Amino acid sequence: EAQVTQNPRYLITVTGKKLTVTCSQNMNHEYMSWYRQDPGLGLRQIYYSMNVEATDKGDVPEGYKVSRKEKRNFPLILESPSPNQTSLYFCASAKNTGELFFGEGSRLTVL
Amino acid sequence: KNQVEQSPQSLIILEGKNCTLQCNYTVSPFSNLRWYKQDTGRGPVSLTIMTFSENTKSNGRYTATLDADTKQSSLHITASQLSDSASYICVVRENSGGYQKVTFGTGTKLQVIP
Repeated sequence: EAQVTQNPRYLITVTGKKLTVTCSQNMNHEYMSWYRQDPGLGLRQIYYSMNVEATDKGDVPEGYKVSRKEKRNFPLILESPSPNQTSLYFCASAKNTGELFFGEGSRLTVL
Repeated sequence: KNQVEQSPQSLIILEGKNCTLQCNYTVSPFSNLRWYKQDTGRGPVSLTIMTFSENTKSNGRYTATLDADTKQSSLHITASQLSDSASYICVVRENSGGYQKVTFGTGTKLQVIP
C-alpha cells in the first residue's frame, strides 16, 4: 500500500531535549516536505527536499533541521525544542503531478 | 505575497443538505488548484485538481469549479453525509516550477449534523 509513515504519532518532551520525527515514503517520490499545522494558521511549510541531498527552507524553518540521505526518508530534527514548537506536524511526498501525499501526523508537545 | 483565502472558516449543516465552500487566491502565475479533505487527526487527502482550462470537475458528491479570471474556486458538496465532516483545504500551485511554490488556505471546517 502506498503510504507516508511518520513516527512517533504522539510525543511529549521537555524544553531542550533533542528529538527526531521520522518520515518514510514507499512511492519513490522525489519531493518530500514537512509542515506544521496550528489552529487558525493552516499548514505552514518548514523544509522541503527536491531529491536526495537537496533540501531547502520553507516558510518557518527556525529551530528545525532536516536531512535527505536516502530517497525514501526525510527526518525532521528539533535540536533544542521550545514550547512554541508544540504543534501538529505532517510529512508529505509528491511526484510529477504535484499531488501531495500526507502522513498521518505527529502531535508534539514541548513542556 | 501569494495568498489563498477560504470562506467560511466554519460551517454547520444538516445531513442531506448541500453546501458550497469558497476559495479566493492571488497566486500568480497560476498552475493548478487542489481541494484537500482533512479528517480530524488525519493527514489531508486530495479530492480534486483544477487546471487553468477547467471550469468544473466532479468527484462523486463533490463538485469543484474554477474561474481563473476572477481567481476564485468553489467546492460544492451535494446531499451531505456525516462522513463529510472535516476540514477542506484549498491549495494553489504557482507556475514557476518546483514543488515549493505552493500556497495553502487555512481551511473551512465543516460539521454535518444528523
